Amino acid sequence: GAVVSQHPSWVICKSGTSVKIECRSLDFQATTMFWYRQFPKQSLMLMATSNEGSKATYEQGVEKDKFLINHASLTLSTLTVTSAHPEDSSFYICSAALVRGGSYEQYFGPGTRLTVT
Amino acid sequence: DAKTTQPPSMDCAEGRAANLPCNHSTISGNEYVYWYRQIHSQGPQYIIHGLKNNETNEMASLIITEDRKSSTLILPHATLRDTAVYYCIVRGLLGGATNKLIFGTGTLLAVQP
Repeated sequence: GAVVSQHPSWVICKSGTSVKIECRSLDFQATTMFWYRQFPKQSLMLMATSNEGSKATYEQGVEKDKFLINHASLTLSTLTVTSAHPEDSSFYICSAALVRGGSYEQYFGPGTRLTVT
Repeated sequence: DAKTTQPPSMDCAEGRAANLPCNHSTISGNEYVYWYRQIHSQGPQYIIHGLKNNETNEMASLIITEDRKSSTLILPHATLRDTAVYYCIVRGLLGGATNKLIFGTGTLLAVQP
């Protein structure tokens, strides 16, 4: 159990276009989802936290108008990279939180590799 | 900012135990120690977590010192598939801003045949 999926697994887009990445919790409901970004040979950087039905909370330095997050249901969160540029090329990873037995567990998706040309 | 310190890399022979250290000297009383690992080009995978007692599951053992300022993740019989970056993270268990998992630089464990 506790599986998180992402779609697509990889995407190539042209500079100036927008790209939407989906994150789904397949077998549990996640009131909170997180989005991370990872550049080559670097660690994961938290971009934003999203709670179902409310606006996302962005980390310092992350442009909320560029990285649009929608968490419309307990099993789906989307990240839209608007007007993408080559410097947005990165590995985007989502994570979903599961509260179980008094414990707060966080599970990660497989990631989406975005390449902007 | 990450609250942990880990060696950047370690080697381990296949079949031997891998012992990965982590320092978290500023850990507070309600924070847990979590371990995740990330195999190349994949999302992080949860391994284990603990508060103050030693913990064991099917993947690994977690040994936390009595003063809770450091811990060691033990993979009892490392295989080539255990080659990954291992992240030690301290985090509160429930509620609020302390729920965020903030990743440091981790330890790249290379299991050698």
